[in-house]
Amino acid sequence: NAGVTQTPKFRILKIGQSMTLQCTQDMNHNYMYWYRQDPGMGLKLIYYSVGAGITDKGEVPNGYNVSRSTTEDFPLRLELAAPSQTSVYFCASNRISTDTQYFGPGTRLTVL
Amino acid sequence: GQQLNQSPQSMFIQEGEDVSMNCTSSSIFNTWLWYKQDPGEGPVLLIALYKAGELTSNGRLTAQFGITRKDSFLNISASIPSDVGIYFCSGGSNYKLTFGKGTLLTVNP
Repeated sequence: NAGVTQTPKFRILKIGQSMTLQCTQDMNHNYMYWYRQDPGMGLKLIYYSVGAGITDKGEVPNGYNVSRSTTEDFPLRLELAAPSQTSVYFCASNRISTDTQYFGPGTRLTVL
Repeated sequence: GQQLNQSPQSMFIQEGEDVSMNCTSSSIFNTWLWYKQDPGEGPVLLIALYKAGELTSNGRLTAQFGITRKDSFLNISASIPSDVGIYFCSGGSNYKLTFGKGTLLTVNP
């Protein structure tokens, strides 16, 4: 199993541009999550999904959108990039009946 | 929202020393997890704790789920240079995790 994979690894955006961060897991996990990590601040939950077609907001959802059309994929969309969205983004997943999440390698995004 | 207080924020130790770090919360959690993050990588699960009072080891690592369900600690024995990194505690409840701000560990060979 590849586990949780994320693309791209790095990206630089200009203010106002849009992009989609991709996340795929091959563990047949029902639950998937998007976090952002800022220096010294730990991980903050952006959005999560408990299954295909079901998504919900986390702690910091403003400026982001998600969709979950399949069990494997959970893309994160930034519509109008802002400097405040400069961060490292992690996708994670876990199976039903456990809180143990497994993380992808991250996408480092810079908005200039 | 829920918050975890993780301490210490950073540690600088000599190779071979033991290390201890802990997390406390004002909220009860069903699960306590400890992750390690290397530079440029995602967090990697070290130990998962599912029951209050549980003491679990993974090689040189030992972690405990506090009896009150509001705290947990992680011990690393006989540290080695590859132990360097950021260690995060995480409390889990209803399939969502709350993270501490991390402990930066530096090991001097």
